[in-house]
Amino acid sequence: GQNIDQPTEMTATEGAIVQINCTYQTSGFNGLFWYQQHAGEAPTFLSYNVLDGLEEKGRFSSFLSRSKGYSYLLLKELQMKDSASYLCAVTRDSNYQLIWGAGTKLIIKP
Amino acid sequence: DVKVTQSSRYLVKRTGEKVFLECVQDMDHENMFWYRQDPGLGLRLIYFSYDVKMKEKGDIPEGYSVSREKKERFSLILESASTNQTSMYLCASDRRQWGSEAFFGQGTRLTVV
Repeated sequence: GQNIDQPTEMTATEGAIVQINCTYQTSGFNGLFWYQQHAGEAPTFLSYNVLDGLEEKGRFSSFLSRSKGYSYLLLKELQMKDSASYLCAVTRDSNYQLIWGAGTKLIIKP
Repeated sequence: DVKVTQSSRYLVKRTGEKVFLECVQDMDHENMFWYRQDPGLGLRLIYFSYDVKMKEKGDIPEGYSVSREKKERFSLILESASTNQTSMYLCASDRRQWGSEAFFGQGTRLTVV
């Protein structure tokens, strides 16, 4: 089957670093996405990984290990505005569709 | 500024009504999607369209139908609304290529009473 797991909720402190994990099982793989979704708003694109390794983009980095079916999103220098849900999504084996995790709600405390 | 626009932000309908949710994108994207989002379940694909008049069922198509008569417009139809269709509905579009970033509409929160 096809499945994505990520923690339901995480709490971190402003200025700190947090790592949000995502594990997946798919019959085919053509890349993994991370999206950010603030409460009541639409998801917005953060990153796309298709090769193993770390992709850095400002305060956010995303890592992928295809052999382990594992990814993480690393957020540095946390700000209050980073309080949001972070959605992991993996491409299905056909037709450019995505399978979505349930999302990780990140709460930032002062 | 790229944009996906959904016709309504909030909608309240009665059980048994036929409901139309409209989505328009201005990016000339081939792919368009309708998802519903419920707490703890993530985004679930209802229907997908990769071209005008082309559609494919997603994971939860029962009780829904879609229409794509023009490339920029993708409509979701609830044939006979039921209370278990109360949800947040999100439309998205992207280019028909691996790694393409999806752009989402602002969502329609539908309540069926």
